[in-house]
Amino acid sequence: EVQVVESGGGLVQPGRSLRLSCIGSGFAFDDYAMHWVRQVPGKGLEWVAGLGWDGRHIGYADSVEGRFTVSRDNGKNSLSLQMNSLRAEDTALYYCAKDTTVGRYGEGFDMWGQGTMVTVSS
Amino acid sequence: QSALTQPASVSGSPGQSVTISCTGTSSDIGTYNLVSWYQYHPGNAPKVLIYGGTKRPSGVSDRFTTSKSGNTAYLTISGLQSEDEGDYLCCSYGGRSTMIFGGGTKLTVL
Repeated sequence: EVQVVESGGGLVQPGRSLRLSCIGSGFAFDDYAMHWVRQVPGKGLEWVAGLGWDGRHIGYADSVEGRFTVSRDNGKNSLSLQMNSLRAEDTALYYCAKDTTVGRYGEGFDMWGQGTMVTVSS
Repeated sequence: QSALTQPASVSGSPGQSVTISCTGTSSDIGTYNLVSWYQYHPGNAPKVLIYGGTKRPSGVSDRFTTSKSGNTAYLTISGLQSEDEGDYLCCSYGGRSTMIFGGGTKLTVL
């Protein structure tokens, strides 16, 4: 079964750090770009960060640039999001999403996890 | 990176066609033919209908078609069915390895 599973969410104080992880299975993880997308409860989806299969493509939303770092370990089929200097406005459900096309970047997302909730509050 | 603009809602009767617009800028939709469209029911993962601008995944009905003019992309749903009711979301590659979502459009089948 093709799936991605996120973990690492939780309650964290403003200014602190948190690291999210995503494990992919059922597909050739190292052939696909992977992304993080978040959703504030009751609001729309916001793309957060993306990383190409080979690391050549790496991008961040303006709202997280300089605070968040995306990385991957293809040997472990894993994608990570290191979130530093967290703010209240980072509170959201964070999804890991697989790009649609082998060896390409940015064509769309065809597999999403269930999400991991991050709450930034004192 | 401003969100792409979609109408809040559209509606149509069974059998009719409806078109949902997705407006960006010359830096995203206007430059790249990499718009994707999703059917989205809150609480569930979005389902990709169109990716890479024009590609339809296997299993997605050919009633879903796309077009683009300038900075605006369009999703047309023909032969409207009751099961088409839900939220529709667009997304575009925005250059510099970024992606941008639209705000979503609620489709009501009358």
